[in-house]
Amino acid sequence: DTGVSQNPRHKITKRGQNVTFRCDPISEHNRLYWYRQTLGQGPEFLTYFQNEAQLEKSRLLSDRFSAERPKGSFSTLEIQRTEQGDSAMYLCASSLVTLGGRTEAFFGQGTRLTVV
Amino acid sequence: GQQVMQIPQYQHVQEGEDFTTYCNSSTTLSNIQWYKQRPGGHPVFLIQLVKSGEVKKQKRLTFQFGEAKKNSSLHITATQTTDVGTYFCLFSSNTGKLIFGQGTTLQVKP
Repeated sequence: DTGVSQNPRHKITKRGQNVTFRCDPISEHNRLYWYRQTLGQGPEFLTYFQNEAQLEKSRLLSDRFSAERPKGSFSTLEIQRTEQGDSAMYLCASSLVTLGGRTEAFFGQGTRLTVV
Repeated sequence: GQQVMQIPQYQHVQEGEDFTTYCNSSTTLSNIQWYKQRPGGHPVFLIQLVKSGEVKKQKRLTFQFGEAKKNSSLHITATQTTDVGTYFCLFSSNTGKLIFGQGTTLQVKP
């Protein structure tokens, strides 16, 4: 399967614990995006990378959230001191952005986080 | 910040009826994309529109980009139960991030 892969698919954690999610994008894609989606809502932008550079982070995102893409390939999203409000589906997407070209994003299956 | 308004939020139709969802922006968009998310699934790319006034068709789906590149629509002719899901428009902000509209959830009664 050469699509976007996210691990784990499901994570249940106790409030206050740290969690880390991984996203493996399509190999030649230079952009990688993280979104959060709660039931009945559209995906909310969290952050995105161009290769290894984090270009933008949502102002709505607290300092408990951090993301990395150290070698411009896979990315990790860490949430520290989880809260019940962090319970959501975390989606990763990747795209190949070229000048004047298509920018369609390919999404992974997501990681569903439940904070108890 | 930049955003689009997508309406309606929900639409229930009888199988065979048509369906339309609209996205409207206060600013000119460089392009707009449409995605479909099935219940329990992840968003899947449908199409990208780039040119002013562009119209593209995919079988029963017709996508339009307004002349001013501030609005877009997705129209489904003769809906089928397989069309059930949430349809999102998505655009690139001037900083390069991809922003979703609020989505329109389509229910089709057989």
